[in-house]
Amino acid sequence: GAVVSQHPSRVICKSGTSVKIECRSLDFQATTMFWYRQFPKKSLMLMATSNEGSKATYEQGVEKDKFLINHASLTLSTLTVTSAHPEDSSFYICSALIQGGYSNQPQHFGDGTRLSIL
Amino acid sequence: GESVGLHLPTLSVQEGDNSIINCAYSNSASDYFIWYKQESGKGPQFIIDIRSNMDKRQGQRVTVLLNKTVKHLSLQIAATQPGDSAVYFCAENHTGRRALTFGSGTRLQVQP
Repeated sequence: GAVVSQHPSRVICKSGTSVKIECRSLDFQATTMFWYRQFPKKSLMLMATSNEGSKATYEQGVEKDKFLINHASLTLSTLTVTSAHPEDSSFYICSALIQGGYSNQPQHFGDGTRLSIL
Repeated sequence: GESVGLHLPTLSVQEGDNSIINCAYSNSASDYFIWYKQESGKGPQFIIDIRSNMDKRQGQRVTVLLNKTVKHLSLQIAATQPGDSAVYFCAENHTGRRALTFGSGTRLQVQP
């Protein structure tokens, strides 16, 4: 149980392109999802908290106009990297919390999206 | 500031030995701790968690120990197997905060 699917797993595109990454909870509903960025051999850096039906909460230093987050349903959050440039190349990972779960619960992670901007 | 960190960046063990991965945290308000395993090119996989009202919790081949006095967390893996080779992260949060704070990670290398 608690499966999170992330798509695509890998994307390579030209500079200036906008890229959308989907994060789906397959067997549970999630009012809260999270988006992380991970550089090689580094830890996960929280970018934003995605809230179903409301605006995302961004961490300090993360450009909300650059990384657009939409959480329109209880099973889907999307991250759009707008006008991507080579410095946006990274491993992006989403996670989700089970709706109605106990207050302290683990986040369930997708398998990440490797974004490469040429 | 708040931080969660690890003592050893890389741990190399022989297959069959026990592994101990350590983590220190600084936020005295932290009341929930999780260990994740991340294999190359994949997302973190939940291993075990522990709440601050406990000091030990056991799973299958894994044990998490929590010492709130010195703000230290450890993950013990019994009879380490090649499939245990991965990067292990500790993470924490506290009541009222949904997001996790991750440590810097420890790479576990299991030698056959």
